[in-house]
Amino acid sequence: ETGVTQSPTHLIKTRGQQVTLRCSSQSGHNTVSWYQQALGQGPQFIFQYYREEENGRGNFPPRFSGLQFPNYSSELNVNALELDDSALYLCASSLISYRNQPQHFGDGTRLSIL
Amino acid sequence: AQKITQTQPGMFVQEKEAVTLDCTYDTSDQSYGLFWYKQPSSGEMIFLIYQGSYDEQNATEGRYSLNFQKARKSANLVISASQLGDSAMYFCAMSAGMDSSYKLIFGSGTRLLVRP
Repeated sequence: ETGVTQSPTHLIKTRGQQVTLRCSSQSGHNTVSWYQQALGQGPQFIFQYYREEENGRGNFPPRFSGLQFPNYSSELNVNALELDDSALYLCASSLISYRNQPQHFGDGTRLSIL
Repeated sequence: AQKITQTQPGMFVQEKEAVTLDCTYDTSDQSYGLFWYKQPSSGEMIFLIYQGSYDEQNATEGRYSLNFQKARKSANLVISASQLGDSAMYFCAMSAGMDSSYKLIFGSGTRLLVRP
């Protein structure tokens, strides 16, 4: 069973640039959620994708956007990067989008904004 | 609004001893789930254990057990026979949202250090 994989592992960008982070869901999973984890804090929910549609969104501005592909992999795009976007970005997948299903996380992408 | 509170920023435990990590939650939902995750320094969030709000028995998974007290809205994690590899951040989380779309709400975490 292949787990959740994220790429790249680390990324350095400057303010105002755009970034795309990628996630391959665990085999058999059809739901992908993205979380932002600032240093020293717990993860914060960004949005979730189910059957290629956005299926819930947290308190993040529209410059955070995403996609899910037919193979259930997903991308997180962030435009007009700000210093506060520096964080660990975690992708999680689950079999179905029900609250009793544990979400399985990847190793994350560590994004640094200079 | 749903909220998770972890009041222990850091904990020490001697190897082979048991340790309890505290978690309280706040929700007006009748149906919800409670999760514990472990995050080593590598960053990956590792799922440990789940407790449903309607489950009458406390959940157990190997050395992990969840002490669920619904009336007190607490869901403490108990790790028995601590090992050096248990040193990590531990996060309590709650599922929130409609059944077809749920997000996890996380607490601020507890850093556990196991002493040899």
